[in-house]
Amino acid sequence: QKEVEQDPGPLSVPEGAIVSLNCTYSNSAFQYFMWYRQYSRKGPELLMYTYSSGNKEDGRFTAQVDKSSKYISLFIRDSQPSDSATYLCACTGNQFYFGTGTSLTVIP
Amino acid sequence: DTGVSQNPRHKITKRGQNVTFRCDPISEHNRLYWYRQTLGQGPEFLTYFQNEAQLEKSRLLSDRFSAERPKGSFSTLEIQRTEQGDSAMYLCASSYGNNGYTFGSGTRLTVV
Repeated sequence: QKEVEQDPGPLSVPEGAIVSLNCTYSNSAFQYFMWYRQYSRKGPELLMYTYSSGNKEDGRFTAQVDKSSKYISLFIRDSQPSDSATYLCACTGNQFYFGTGTSLTVIP
Repeated sequence: DTGVSQNPRHKITKRGQNVTFRCDPISEHNRLYWYRQTLGQGPEFLTYFQNEAQLEKSRLLSDRFSAERPKGSFSTLEIQRTEQGDSAMYLCASSYGNNGYTFGSGTRLTVV
């Protein structure tokens, strides 16, 4: 079993839709949870960073962590074509464990 | 400080040759990480340094791979006797403890 599981998609939505991206993890010792956005041929860019269970909001983005079910989510409101990218979830122990990434396309 | 810098951006090499990549982290960051990413996959951990000490190495880091961070600042990743399976994006990231974890743009290696 991989440390972090993520549905690779691809996911295609119309502009303005609410996007829900999800990951599950196996190690209850993970403490920090992140979402990265990666454009083609670029390095991952940190979007959201959370420590505890609950919600964290930043503009159109909301990160949600449920440690009891080992489930993390990223919600994107009012999605834009510029949001089209691969979204990676990551969890930390001493190192970062990444999901495989979900490819998102927002259609104008 | 413009973030994590990686050089070169692209490298094409013949099978069997040695290659070396460089990573310059954000200056105040004490941790430096190397990851490898292949198409359609998330980054896979290779190794990390805290200051100049290499604290953890993945099983992915075969004896053909070696990483150094001699003065606790920049780091190099060398691959000896490259194989076609080494073709990937090599990503460097740095952080201060568990904060500010930032990736560079990566070095794309193609072994022909």
